[in-house]
Amino acid sequence: AQSVTQPDIHITVSEGASLELRCNYSYGATPYLFWYVQSPGQGLQLLLKYFSGDTLVQGIKGFEAEFKRSQSSFNLRKPSVHWSDAAEYFCAVGNQAGTALIFGKGTTLSVSS
Amino acid sequence: DAGITQSPRHKVTETGTPVTLRCHQTENHRYMYWYRQDPGHGLRLIHYSYGVKDTDKGEVSDGYSVSRSKTEDFLLTLESATSSQTSVYFCAISESSGFGSPLHFGNGTRLTVT
Repeated sequence: AQSVTQPDIHITVSEGASLELRCNYSYGATPYLFWYVQSPGQGLQLLLKYFSGDTLVQGIKGFEAEFKRSQSSFNLRKPSVHWSDAAEYFCAVGNQAGTALIFGKGTTLSVSS
Repeated sequence: DAGITQSPRHKVTETGTPVTLRCHQTENHRYMYWYRQDPGHGLRLIHYSYGVKDTDKGEVSDGYSVSRSKTEDFLLTLESATSSQTSVYFCAISESSGFGSPLHFGNGTRLTVT
């Protein structure tokens, strides 16, 4: 069965520092991978997605993610974090039927000044 | 932003009462989904719809039913609410399956069952 693991429940990063959020997936074929962000009291907003091709994908708000098949990973990165990036981040993989996403449990990002 | 409206935004109800949550979209997307979000669990799929009157169960469908009589509306019903159904419920839509188009989410309904 497909699954998504986000090993870090909570991460604190200083403003201006770099960020990497980890995501590992279990999937039997080429996965469809996504990162979403959720600000408090809001719905989820798509940051970026990977379907095929270039393994480094660019998203909105300066985020990027790299697909590494050998490690079953799709880590999210940002070179310089801003206080407004504080939110909860979810990694997701498309299910085999192609009908819905399976989400990780999320990583909460706090940004310290 | 995708035109998705969830109603109500907040609801408090008593155990054993029926509750219906509504998701309305103005995008004419074929696929609609109901997820619940709980601390430590992320988002889990309850039910989804791939067209009018076409629905299927997700990962956590027990205790929930859905209906879709029009493209734009997808209703989630808790026939007899229980405290374990206290959660934040999100509706999502997508233009196609296979993830050629991503999910767009509503702002959620916070349901408390006392």
